[in-house]
Amino acid sequence: GQNIDQPTEMTATEGAIVQINCTYQTSGFNGLFWYQQHAGEAPTFLSYNVLDGLEEKGRFSSFLSRSKGYSYLLLKELQMKDSASYLCAVIQGDYQLIWGAGTKLIIKP
Amino acid sequence: GAVVSQHPSWVICKSGTSVKIECRSLDFQATTMFWYRQFPKQSLMLMATSNEGSKATYEQGVEKDKFLINHASLTLSTLTVTSAHPEDSSFYICSLRGRGEADTQYFGPGTRLTVL
Repeated sequence: GQNIDQPTEMTATEGAIVQINCTYQTSGFNGLFWYQQHAGEAPTFLSYNVLDGLEEKGRFSSFLSRSKGYSYLLLKELQMKDSASYLCAVIQGDYQLIWGAGTKLIIKP
Repeated sequence: GAVVSQHPSWVICKSGTSVKIECRSLDFQATTMFWYRQFPKQSLMLMATSNEGSKATYEQGVEKDKFLINHASLTLSTLTVTSAHPEDSSFYICSLRGRGEADTQYFGPGTRLTVL
């Protein structure tokens, strides 16, 4: 079957680093998205990985291992505004997005 | 988590025709439904929100007469793209929220619309 797992909630401290993991089991794979969603707002695109390895973009990095069905989003120098839900989504085939349930990240001062 | 389905998964149509996309929740009652549009590797753009028993609220810039939304029941919402044009080609995604779940949305797999 199809499944995407990510932790429901994580807590971290302002200025620290946090890693949000995502594991997937899908019948096909054409890439993986990470989105950030603040409460009451639409999801904002953070990253797209289709090849193995680490993609760095400022304070945010995303890693993919296709053989392990695993990705993580790494957030450095955490700021209070990073408190949000982080969604992992896999493109299966050309026309389907399989979504994780999202990880609620709480940043404490 | 909840299961959300969309039908069709993909559709190709001629310019000027209308296309209906269905979004269903399979195992819970959705009191709020959202319709998004996604451009390649970009954020999701919220088009409209519909709450149980109310008409849809459209975001600024989204034509309500072109994108007809019907929150038919607690398990079904439809988006009809009327008189579709090539610029309407996109990936349309619905998401649902249940009663009392203020922070949680369940996303559908999306529908890819191509207008020739």
